[in-house]
Amino acid sequence: EAQVTQNPRYLITVTGKKLTVTCSQNMNHEYMSWYRQDPGLGLRQIYYSMNVEVTDKGDVPEGYKVSRKEKRNFPLILESPSPNQTSLYFCASSLRQGYGANVLTFGAGSRLTVL
Amino acid sequence: GDSVTQMEGPVTLSEEAFLTINCTYTATGYPSLFWYVQYPGEGLQLLLKATKADDKGSNKGFEATYRKETTSFHLEKGSVQVSDSAVYFCALSFNQAGTALIFGKGTTLSVSS
Repeated sequence: EAQVTQNPRYLITVTGKKLTVTCSQNMNHEYMSWYRQDPGLGLRQIYYSMNVEVTDKGDVPEGYKVSRKEKRNFPLILESPSPNQTSLYFCASSLRQGYGANVLTFGAGSRLTVL
Repeated sequence: GDSVTQMEGPVTLSEEAFLTINCTYTATGYPSLFWYVQYPGEGLQLLLKATKADDKGSNKGFEATYRKETTSFHLEKGSVQVSDSAVYFCALSFNQAGTALIFGKGTTLSVSS
């Protein structure tokens, strides 16, 4: 089944404890992206990647890092999480982004709470 | 800059009622337009799309028409069901490499039986 898989789905952590949210897609998509969803703010893009070893900042990149060493994986790293990073995070991918009406496929989401 | 504005929710309807969720956009070019739906506890999934003016996207009884003159892409359904309860996001995207999908803030729909 074509899908985007995120782990963990739920996580409670403490301020300053590094964590990684993994994202993997099995569709050979070039484009991958991370969003965070907050009440009243909708979805905001954190980082995106056009292809392997190509990443770029979205609208709210502060406090996050990403890497794209393989086509299928796009982990989101919080080096020193803070309470304002408590949010629902989504990973998404598409064949390419910007070429025609390419559709994003989303993961099920990772709910992160930073105490 | 480019943006999407949706009507604020929540929208509360009874089963079989008519649904309209308004969406307008601001864009410097000619974007493709989308409606995504997020069911409780799930990620977003594409509901329908339209790539040029006057195109009508449709799926699962939902429809939206790309209106360039009013820069709108309103979502409609003639008879909603309880299972349509979800958050609906309007979004736009351009045919340029690397451009992100720009989302509205989402509209929550609650349908009661």
